[in-house]
Amino acid sequence: AQSVAQPEDQVNVAEGNPLTVKCTYSVSGNPYLFWYVQYPNRGLQFLLKYITGDNLVKGSYGFEAEFNKSQTSFHLKKPSALVSDSALYFCAVREGNTGFQKLVFGTGTRLLVSP
Amino acid sequence: DAGVIQSPRHEVTEMGQEVTLRCKPISGHNSLFWYRQTMMRGLELLIYFNNNVPIDDSGMPEDRFSAKMPNASFSTLKIQPSEPRDSAVYFCASSSGTSSYEQYFGPGTRLTVT
Repeated sequence: AQSVAQPEDQVNVAEGNPLTVKCTYSVSGNPYLFWYVQYPNRGLQFLLKYITGDNLVKGSYGFEAEFNKSQTSFHLKKPSALVSDSALYFCAVREGNTGFQKLVFGTGTRLLVSP
Repeated sequence: DAGVIQSPRHEVTEMGQEVTLRCKPISGHNSLFWYRQTMMRGLELLIYFNNNVPIDDSGMPEDRFSAKMPNASFSTLKIQPSEPRDSAVYFCASSSGTSSYEQYFGPGTRLTVT
């Protein structure tokens, strides 16, 4: 069965500094990986995905993520954090090449960017 | 594109009452998902449909919960009778499942059962 782990409940970073939100996954086949962001009182918003191809994936709002097959990781990164990036971030995985589209979400990491 | 539409946005009801949550997926999407989010349990998948057919309802808490998708543009999640522990934010999401697999979430329905 597929699973996702987000080892940090919260990440604190100062505005202008680089940020990393960690995610590791477990699937039996090829992983399809996703990052979502949730702002207060809002639904989850899709940020980026890795399906195949280049291991470095670029997404919305200047975020990017690096797929590392040997470490089974898909960490979310941004070179320079903004206060407005403060939100709850979810990593998700599905097993590629399966017929159905169920995603397994991590428990979420709260990102707090201080001015 | 209007995105996924959910109604109502807020619902306050008394224990024992029936609650119906509604969802309109993005036009052209063939998969629909119902999630529940609480502080204690995080984000939980309740049920999902593919081409209007329920595929996996293993996340539905108990028989008090039921979901239907009578056509490609409408789904309901019903709780009968409701209990205080059902208080949560309920999200609907849809995806196209052809060349992309990401799910698009609605704004959610905040349910409070007193």
